[in-house]
Amino acid sequence: SQKIEQNSEALNIQEGKTATLTCNYTNYSPAYLQWYRQDPGRGPVFLLLIRENEKEKRKERLKVTFDTTLKQSLFHITASQPADSATYLCALEITGGFKTIFGAGTRLFVKA
Amino acid sequence: GAVVSQHPSWVICKSGTSVKIECRSLDFQATTMFWYRQFPKQSLMLMATSNEGSKATYEQGVEKDKFLINHASLTLSTLTVTSAHPEDSSFYICSAGRGKNEQFFGPGTRLTVL
Repeated sequence: SQKIEQNSEALNIQEGKTATLTCNYTNYSPAYLQWYRQDPGRGPVFLLLIRENEKEKRKERLKVTFDTTLKQSLFHITASQPADSATYLCALEITGGFKTIFGAGTRLFVKA
Repeated sequence: GAVVSQHPSWVICKSGTSVKIECRSLDFQATTMFWYRQFPKQSLMLMATSNEGSKATYEQGVEKDKFLINHASLTLSTLTVTSAHPEDSSFYICSAGRGKNEQFFGPGTRLTVL
């Protein structure tokens, strides 16, 4: 069956360091992969989209990689700040459809 | 641009009553809207996909007679939880699709059924 896995354990890092979050998937053929930020009690906010033919995408302090062979995406936040503390969700769009499947998210805590 | 609102932001109701949640795309027309449910510390689970003017497509395991979806216009979709029970208590989030792969989420509605 189709499955998306994100590290369920919270990630604690020191301010200024680079945070790296992992998203693995199985039995999918995603047209693209997205990363969202979700704060407690709020809806997800779109951050980045990377297509299946792209290896890397950057936006300001954010970087996403997409390895369709490993079926894995890495999400990096450089020079992390306490304001980056949130849950980060990985989401896959199924090829040919508009259906988005979400991972359970990884909680990031950035300590000052 | 691309703002999606939900109303109400939270609601508390008695068991057996029905609750309506509205989802609006404020500054764009959304041909497709999605309804998700999220339990604490869990992933967003897609409940149904609705297209303007047609019946919603429900995901497996979601009761269409319990979760009524109406997509009356290109900017409004409603989810009605009928005969709500405590196990329906959850965070309900809508999203509106724009273009080929853009999806914008509402702020969510916290439903508590007593």
